[in-house]
Amino acid sequence: GEDVEQSLFLSVREGDSSVINCTYTDSSSTYLYWYKQEPGAGLQLLTYIFSNMDMKQDQRLTVLLNKKDKHLSLRIADTQTGDSAIYFCAEKVNNAGNMLTFGGGTRLMVKP
Amino acid sequence: DAGVIQSPRHEVTEMGQEVTLRCKPISGHDYLFWYRQTMMRGLELLIYFNNNVPIDDSGMPEDRFSAKMPNASFSTLKIQPSEPRDSAVYFCASSLGPSGSYEQYFGPGTRLTVT
Repeated sequence: GEDVEQSLFLSVREGDSSVINCTYTDSSSTYLYWYKQEPGAGLQLLTYIFSNMDMKQDQRLTVLLNKKDKHLSLRIADTQTGDSAIYFCAEKVNNAGNMLTFGGGTRLMVKP
Repeated sequence: DAGVIQSPRHEVTEMGQEVTLRCKPISGHDYLFWYRQTMMRGLELLIYFNNNVPIDDSGMPEDRFSAKMPNASFSTLKIQPSEPRDSAVYFCASSLGPSGSYEQYFGPGTRLTVT
């Protein structure tokens, strides 16, 4: 079955880069996503990557996908205090309708 | 578009009372999802609809929970009777069908407290 795993917590200093990692188990994943959840808010889609790509860059965000190892990462350059939030990765698996499988979330804390 | 709209944003009720949560998906989206988020269990998918029809309700905890989607622009999640362990944040999300990239857009959530 599908399973998406993330580490629970990451702490970085303002201005440093953050790298949030995710592993998934289903090799038939077609799309993989990163969502951000700020306190008291819903999940906000940050970016997604199609499974035939290995990298996607969007301003300060870089997504890397290693299909062989089923590993997805989100790099945030020049991390700011406003980036403090919980980050969820999610996968879209073939033949699962429009369902996404979410990881447990990584809490990113940015220290000034 | 205003995005996914949920109401109420906060609900406090006593054990045994009926609770109804409401959701308006993004116009044109044909999938609607109900999730529950708690510290202990994280984000759980409860049920989802396609074109107003329930497709998978295997995540609904028990018979006290029911969900309906009477039309493309409205869905409800009802808990009757409510219990303290139902306290959580309930999210509604919507997405476009296969012509999109399947991303889901979430509402702001309803924080439910059952005392």
